[in-house]
Amino acid sequence: EAGVAQSPRYKIIEKRQSVAFWCNPISGHATLYWYQQILGQGPKLLIQFQNNGVVDDSQLPKDRFSAERLKGVDSTLKIQPAKLEDSAVYLCASSGQLSNEQFFGPGTRLTVL
Amino acid sequence: LAKTTQPISMDSYEGQEVNITCSHNNIATNDYITWYQQFPSQGPRFIIQGYKTKVTNEVASLFIPADRKSSTLSLPRVSLSDTAVYYCLVGDMFNDYKLSFGAGTTVTVRA
Repeated sequence: EAGVAQSPRYKIIEKRQSVAFWCNPISGHATLYWYQQILGQGPKLLIQFQNNGVVDDSQLPKDRFSAERLKGVDSTLKIQPAKLEDSAVYLCASSGQLSNEQFFGPGTRLTVL
Repeated sequence: LAKTTQPISMDSYEGQEVNITCSHNNIATNDYITWYQQFPSQGPRFIIQGYKTKVTNEVASLFIPADRKSSTLSLPRVSLSDTAVYYCLVGDMFNDYKLSFGAGTTVTVRA
């Protein structure tokens, strides 16, 4: 089966610019996650969707970050405006109904200059 | 979410067995223990999950003592391709299961 797809793989922007990342989960997976992974650290959960509803966004900096999953399939994460400390890899993961195993995409590496 | 503690790094040689111990003193009754592996420039990958005693799959074994306050991931006969970061996670898989990653253990396998 196809894995979790993410695009773009790399993005370089200047601070105060906006950026968006896209994720297409594994077909049929109801739960979708966005993580932020700063160099040298483990991934940090930003937001979790169950179908198109938000389950947990407690660690999402809502003043600049937003995410949506309008049709319960693919999802977009946006940063507006970006700060230097947003430089990280943004990982998308999905899991199915019968298992809590999360399948991760390759990530998007964001560099904010 | 139960806090986990694991070594920052471990070195090994090809063909040896690698054992990574994770401490989770405040593990709750409904919590499961899960291990993920992450290679550079890739997302984490599920390795193994268990609740108590021993779990084995084609990749690794997971040993959990009776008090469940720690667990040990065992990688048999490692190769250079096993060089990665290994994360120990604890969480309630049936109720709003979330993954909380720590810094993980960087395992370096040398020839």
